[in-house]
Amino acid sequence: QVQLVESGGGVVQPGKSLRLSCLASGFTFNHYPIHWVRQAPGKGLEWLAVMTYDAKKNFYADSVKGRFTISRDLSKSTLFLQMNSLTPQDSALYYCATVDTSVWSRPFHYWGQGTLVTVSS
Amino acid sequence: DIQMTQSPSSLSAAVGDRVTITCRASQAISNSLAWYQEKPGKAPKLLIYGASTLQSGVPSRFSGGGSGTDFTLTISSLQPEDVANYYCQKYDNSPFTFGPGTKVEIK
Repeated sequence: QVQLVESGGGVVQPGKSLRLSCLASGFTFNHYPIHWVRQAPGKGLEWLAVMTYDAKKNFYADSVKGRFTISRDLSKSTLFLQMNSLTPQDSALYYCATVDTSVWSRPFHYWGQGTLVTVSS
Repeated sequence: DIQMTQSPSSLSAAVGDRVTITCRASQAISNSLAWYQEKPGKAPKLLIYGASTLQSGVPSRFSGGGSGTDFTLTISSLQPEDVANYYCQKYDNSPFTFGPGTKVEIK
């Protein structure tokens, strides 16, 4: 079955960087787009970024464009989110999520359990 | 970018009540609209996609409707286990924006 496991969260100082990982299993990793979504404490869901199934294009929310970068390692079936210049407003539970086909415009059928990022001095 | 709004932001209803949440897109998104249920400590769960298609395993008391810019999520008979936050999302293209959410509680 499809499984997504996030890791890499933790406490980081403002202005520093952090790289999150999303280990995928149960499906052909390079056949589906994979998204990053976050939820700040007490707040709603915020879509952040997506890598297309062929990795030819990445798209980002305006709130993270230029600071966050999505990449992947096919050999490890792992998606990464490199987060730079972090601020306290980036503190959140970060999820990766994927869809049920290689089609771009699909809802998020599968979610990981999330990894918590806290930006604090 | 297309903005998503939801109303109400919260509601309280009795067990057995019919509950309706509205989602509005600032521009037409065809039927590329999904609804998710989010409970504390759990990942969001897809309930409905294509505006009205019930995801496998979701109770039939949940239903969705609408197209274009105006959409609804209805719970025909509210149950205690439906206490949660509910989010709509457009998925036609980037950005895959979520609505701000609706908190559903039992009266």
